[in-house]
Amino acid sequence: GIQVEQSPPDLILQEGANSTLRCNFSDSVNNLQWFHQNPWGQLINLFYIPSGTKQNGRLSATTVATERYSLLYISSSQTTDSGVYFCAVGKNGNQFYFGTGTSLTVIP
Amino acid sequence: ETGVTQSPTHLIKTRGQQVTLRCSSQSGHNTVSWYQQALGQGPQFIFQYYREEENGRGNFPPRFSGLQFPNYSSELNVNALELDDSALYLCASSPDRANEQFFGPGTRLTVL
Repeated sequence: GIQVEQSPPDLILQEGANSTLRCNFSDSVNNLQWFHQNPWGQLINLFYIPSGTKQNGRLSATTVATERYSLLYISSSQTTDSGVYFCAVGKNGNQFYFGTGTSLTVIP
Repeated sequence: ETGVTQSPTHLIKTRGQQVTLRCSSQSGHNTVSWYQQALGQGPQFIFQYYREEENGRGNFPPRFSGLQFPNYSSELNVNALELDDSALYLCASSPDRANEQFFGPGTRLTVL
Protein backbone atom coordinates (compact mmCIF):
# COMPACT_ATOMS: atom_id res chain seq x y z
CA GLY A 1 0.00 0.00 0.00
CA ILE A 2 0.89 3.69 -0.08
CA GLN A 3 2.81 5.05 2.90
CA VAL A 4 1.67 8.49 4.09
CA GLU A 5 3.85 10.46 6.46
CA GLN A 6 2.75 13.68 8.11
CA SER A 7 4.94 16.17 9.89
CA PRO A 8 5.25 17.50 12.45
CA PRO A 9 3.31 15.04 14.62
CA ASP A 10 2.57 17.75 17.19
CA LEU A 11 2.52 21.52 16.92
CA ILE A 12 1.83 24.19 19.54
CA LEU A 13 1.26 27.74 18.34
CA GLN A 14 0.46 31.10 19.82
CA GLU A 15 -2.77 32.57 18.47
CA GLY A 16 -2.01 34.63 15.37
CA ALA A 17 0.99 32.59 14.28
CA ASN A 18 1.33 30.86 10.91
CA SER A 19 2.10 27.19 10.33
CA THR A 20 2.88 24.69 7.59
CA LEU A 21 1.86 21.04 7.78
CA ARG A 22 3.44 18.53 5.42
CA CYS A 23 2.22 15.26 3.89
CA ASN A 24 4.61 12.95 2.03
CA PHE A 25 3.38 9.90 0.15
CA SER A 26 5.22 6.97 -1.36
CA ASP A 27 3.47 6.50 -4.70
CA SER A 28 1.70 8.46 -7.39
CA VAL A 29 -1.88 9.32 -6.44
CA ASN A 30 -4.93 10.76 -8.15
CA ASN A 31 -6.82 11.67 -4.99
CA LEU A 32 -5.58 13.75 -2.06
CA GLN A 33 -7.62 15.36 0.67
CA TRP A 34 -6.88 17.36 3.81
CA PHE A 35 -9.19 17.01 6.80
CA HIS A 36 -9.57 18.58 10.22
CA GLN A 37 -10.87 16.21 12.89
CA ASN A 38 -12.77 17.92 15.68
CA PRO A 39 -12.79 16.68 19.30
CA TRP A 40 -15.97 14.66 18.62
CA GLY A 41 -14.32 12.74 15.81
CA GLN A 42 -15.99 14.42 12.84
CA LEU A 43 -13.71 14.71 9.82
CA ILE A 44 -14.23 18.08 8.19
CA ASN A 45 -13.19 18.52 4.57
CA LEU A 46 -10.61 21.24 4.07
CA PHE A 47 -9.30 20.62 0.55
CA TYR A 48 -9.62 18.11 -2.27
CA ILE A 49 -6.31 18.75 -4.00
CA PRO A 50 -4.73 15.99 -6.12
CA SER A 51 -2.51 18.67 -7.65
CA GLY A 52 -2.04 22.42 -7.71
CA THR A 53 -2.86 25.12 -5.19
CA LYS A 54 -6.12 26.12 -3.53
CA GLN A 55 -7.04 28.72 -0.95
CA ASN A 56 -9.99 29.04 1.39
CA GLY A 57 -9.81 32.01 3.73
CA ARG A 58 -6.87 31.61 6.12
CA LEU A 59 -6.10 28.14 4.81
CA SER A 60 -4.35 27.17 1.64
CA ALA A 61 -2.89 23.96 0.27
CA THR A 62 -0.42 22.96 -2.40
CA THR A 63 0.17 19.51 -3.84
CA VAL A 64 3.24 18.74 -5.95
CA ALA A 65 2.19 15.37 -7.28
CA THR A 66 5.41 14.74 -9.21
CA GLU A 67 7.43 15.10 -5.99
CA ARG A 68 4.84 13.26 -3.86
CA TYR A 69 4.07 15.82 -1.22
CA SER A 70 1.39 18.23 -0.15
CA LEU A 71 1.49 21.23 2.18
CA LEU A 72 -1.28 22.79 4.26
CA TYR A 73 -0.77 26.39 5.31
CA ILE A 74 -2.65 27.94 8.21
CA SER A 75 -2.24 31.68 8.62
CA SER A 76 -3.23 33.85 11.60
CA SER A 77 -4.12 30.76 13.62
CA GLN A 78 -7.10 30.83 15.99
CA THR A 79 -7.96 28.63 18.97
CA THR A 80 -10.72 27.04 16.89
CA ASP A 81 -8.03 25.69 14.54
CA SER A 82 -6.94 23.27 17.28
CA GLY A 83 -7.43 19.60 16.52
CA VAL A 84 -5.88 16.90 14.39
CA TYR A 85 -5.17 17.44 10.71
CA PHE A 86 -5.10 14.44 8.39
CA CYS A 87 -3.93 13.96 4.87
CA ALA A 88 -5.49 11.09 2.87
CA VAL A 89 -4.44 9.81 -0.54
CA GLY A 90 -5.87 7.39 -3.06
CA LYS A 91 -4.92 5.71 -6.29
CA ASN A 92 -7.24 3.97 -8.73
CA GLY A 93 -10.24 4.99 -6.66
CA ASN A 94 -10.57 1.73 -4.74
CA GLN A 95 -8.42 2.17 -1.64
CA PHE A 96 -7.43 5.15 0.46
CA TYR A 97 -4.63 5.76 2.93
CA PHE A 98 -4.51 8.22 5.81
CA GLY A 99 -1.45 9.62 7.49
CA THR A 100 -1.02 9.54 11.27
CA GLY A 101 -2.01 13.18 11.56
CA THR A 102 -0.64 16.42 12.97
CA SER A 103 -2.06 17.44 16.34
CA LEU A 104 -2.32 21.24 16.47
CA THR A 105 -2.86 23.21 19.67
CA VAL A 106 -3.38 26.97 19.41
CA ILE A 107 -2.85 28.84 22.66
CA PRO A 108 -4.64 32.17 23.30
CA GLU B 1 -28.93 18.66 1.03
CA THR B 2 -28.53 16.05 3.78
CA GLY B 3 -24.98 15.02 4.61
CA VAL B 4 -23.69 11.58 5.52
CA THR B 5 -25.42 10.11 8.56
CA GLN B 6 -24.46 7.11 10.69
CA SER B 7 -26.25 5.06 13.32
CA PRO B 8 -25.98 4.32 16.10
CA THR B 9 -23.78 7.02 17.65
CA HIS B 10 -22.41 4.76 20.36
CA LEU B 11 -22.54 1.02 20.90
CA ILE B 12 -21.29 -1.33 23.58
CA LYS B 13 -20.90 -5.03 22.82
CA THR B 14 -19.18 -7.99 24.42
CA ARG B 15 -16.46 -10.12 22.90
CA GLY B 16 -17.80 -12.73 20.47
CA GLN B 17 -20.97 -10.82 19.60
CA GLN B 18 -21.91 -9.48 16.19
CA VAL B 19 -22.62 -5.85 15.30
CA THR B 20 -24.19 -3.96 12.38
CA LEU B 21 -23.43 -0.30 11.73
CA ARG B 22 -25.38 1.79 9.25
CA CYS B 23 -24.58 4.67 6.95
CA SER B 24 -26.75 6.84 4.73
CA SER B 25 -24.80 8.42 1.91
CA GLN B 26 -25.13 11.98 0.75
CA SER B 27 -27.72 12.59 -1.95
CA GLY B 28 -26.34 11.85 -5.43
CA HIS B 29 -23.41 9.76 -4.16
CA ASN B 30 -23.01 6.17 -5.39
CA THR B 31 -19.85 5.22 -3.49
CA VAL B 32 -19.46 4.44 0.21
CA SER B 33 -16.24 3.67 2.06
CA TRP B 34 -15.81 2.44 5.64
CA TYR B 35 -12.90 3.19 7.96
CA GLN B 36 -11.80 2.09 11.40
CA GLN B 37 -10.03 4.64 13.61
CA ALA B 38 -8.37 3.39 16.77
CA LEU B 39 -7.57 5.89 19.50
CA GLY B 40 -4.67 8.14 18.58
CA GLN B 41 -4.32 6.79 15.05
CA GLY B 42 -5.40 7.75 11.57
CA PRO B 43 -8.41 6.07 9.95
CA GLN B 44 -7.72 2.70 8.33
CA PHE B 45 -9.58 1.79 5.12
CA ILE B 46 -11.82 -1.26 5.54
CA PHE B 47 -13.60 -1.46 2.17
CA GLN B 48 -15.46 0.49 -0.46
CA TYR B 49 -18.79 -0.18 -2.17
CA TYR B 50 -19.61 1.21 -5.57
CA ARG B 51 -23.10 0.69 -7.02
CA GLU B 52 -23.80 -2.20 -4.64
CA GLU B 53 -20.55 -4.09 -5.37
CA GLU B 54 -17.41 -4.26 -3.23
CA ASN B 55 -14.85 -2.19 -5.13
CA GLY B 56 -11.80 -2.38 -2.88
CA ARG B 57 -10.73 -3.81 0.46
CA GLY B 58 -8.09 -2.96 3.02
CA ASN B 59 -6.20 -5.34 5.28
CA PHE B 60 -9.15 -6.52 7.38
CA PRO B 61 -10.26 -10.14 8.02
CA PRO B 62 -13.38 -11.64 6.42
CA ARG B 63 -15.38 -11.21 9.64
CA PHE B 64 -15.66 -7.57 8.49
CA SER B 65 -18.30 -7.56 5.77
CA GLY B 66 -20.60 -5.04 4.19
CA LEU B 67 -23.54 -4.32 1.98
CA GLN B 68 -24.67 -1.45 -0.16
CA PHE B 69 -28.36 -1.06 -0.97
CA PRO B 70 -30.05 0.27 -4.14
CA ASN B 71 -30.46 3.68 -2.48
CA TYR B 72 -26.65 3.58 -1.89
CA SER B 73 -26.93 3.41 1.89
CA SER B 74 -24.61 0.86 3.45
CA GLU B 75 -24.05 -1.49 6.35
CA LEU B 76 -20.85 -2.67 8.02
CA ASN B 77 -21.12 -6.01 9.80
CA VAL B 78 -18.51 -7.33 12.19
CA ASN B 79 -18.75 -10.91 13.47
CA ALA B 80 -17.01 -12.51 16.44
CA LEU B 81 -16.08 -9.18 17.99
CA GLU B 82 -12.65 -8.86 19.57
CA LEU B 83 -11.44 -6.33 22.12
CA ASP B 84 -9.25 -4.69 19.45
CA ASP B 85 -12.35 -3.92 17.39
CA SER B 86 -13.08 -1.10 19.84
CA ALA B 87 -12.76 2.02 17.71
CA LEU B 88 -14.51 4.85 15.92
CA TYR B 89 -16.06 3.56 12.69
CA LEU B 90 -16.36 6.17 9.98
CA CYS B 91 -18.37 6.08 6.79
CA ALA B 92 -17.64 8.31 3.80
CA SER B 93 -19.60 8.82 0.62
CA SER B 94 -18.46 10.25 -2.70
CA PRO B 95 -20.06 11.05 -6.07
CA ASP B 96 -17.86 8.38 -7.69
CA ARG B 97 -14.98 6.11 -6.79
CA ALA B 98 -12.06 8.52 -7.13
CA ASN B 99 -13.82 11.71 -6.07
CA GLU B 100 -13.79 13.78 -2.91
CA GLN B 101 -15.07 11.88 0.13
CA PHE B 102 -17.46 13.30 2.73
CA PHE B 103 -17.54 11.73 6.16
CA GLY B 104 -20.30 11.00 8.61
CA PRO B 105 -19.97 11.66 12.36
CA GLY B 106 -18.96 8.07 13.12
CA THR B 107 -20.08 5.26 15.40
CA ARG B 108 -18.04 4.66 18.52
CA LEU B 109 -17.92 0.92 19.27
CA THR B 110 -16.72 -0.41 22.59
CA VAL B 111 -16.10 -4.14 22.96
CA LEU B 112 -15.93 -5.44 26.54
